[in-house]
Amino acid sequence: DGGITQSPKYLFRKEGQNVTLSCEQNLNHDAMYWYRQDPGQGLRLIYYSQIVNDFQKGDIAEGYSVSREKKESFPLTVTSAQKNPTAFYLCASSSDTNTEAFFGQGTRLTVV
Amino acid sequence: KQEVTQIPAALSVPEGENLVLNCSFTDSAIYNLQWFRQDPGKGLTSLLLIQSSQREQTSGRLNASLDKSSGRSTLYIAASQPGDSATYLCAVRRTGNQFYFGTGTSLTVIP
Repeated sequence: DGGITQSPKYLFRKEGQNVTLSCEQNLNHDAMYWYRQDPGQGLRLIYYSQIVNDFQKGDIAEGYSVSREKKESFPLTVTSAQKNPTAFYLCASSSDTNTEAFFGQGTRLTVV
Repeated sequence: KQEVTQIPAALSVPEGENLVLNCSFTDSAIYNLQWFRQDPGKGLTSLLLIQSSQREQTSGRLNASLDKSSGRSTLYIAASQPGDSATYLCAVRRTGNQFYFGTGTSLTVIP
């Protein structure tokens, strides 16, 4: 089945820890995105990548880092510098500007 | 910066009713607009994509329209069913390959 896989579904982070969220797609899409969703707010863009080995900051990139070493993979690291990381994180991909974006099932991150 | 607004924030209707969800955006220079559905705790499911040159798209009981000049889109759901209960999000796509999302409309269809 073609699609986007995010893992894990639930993730717990202790104060001061870095954690990495996985996003893999087998749709052969060039562009990949990371969004954060908080209750009562719209999706906010963290980072996006239009091609391998290149990525751009979104509106709320502080405290996050990404890499794009392979077309299929776009992992997101939530660093200890992110002061309020508890949220629902969504990964998406698309082939170009004229086509649909597809989303994964999300990772819920909680600070304990 | 592109601002996307969805009204109403919540809507409750009896089963069988036809309904309209609204999406407005401030900058008409868009590539396309996409409607999504989100069930609680889940990711987004794509419903319809309308290119900037199109006026409407249809899929089953869903019809989405786009008036780019006025910065508006509507999602029409015919003969609503309890299974349609979810949050509906619209997103516009501009230069730079970015999406801008509205905050969504939470729909409840009462059996």
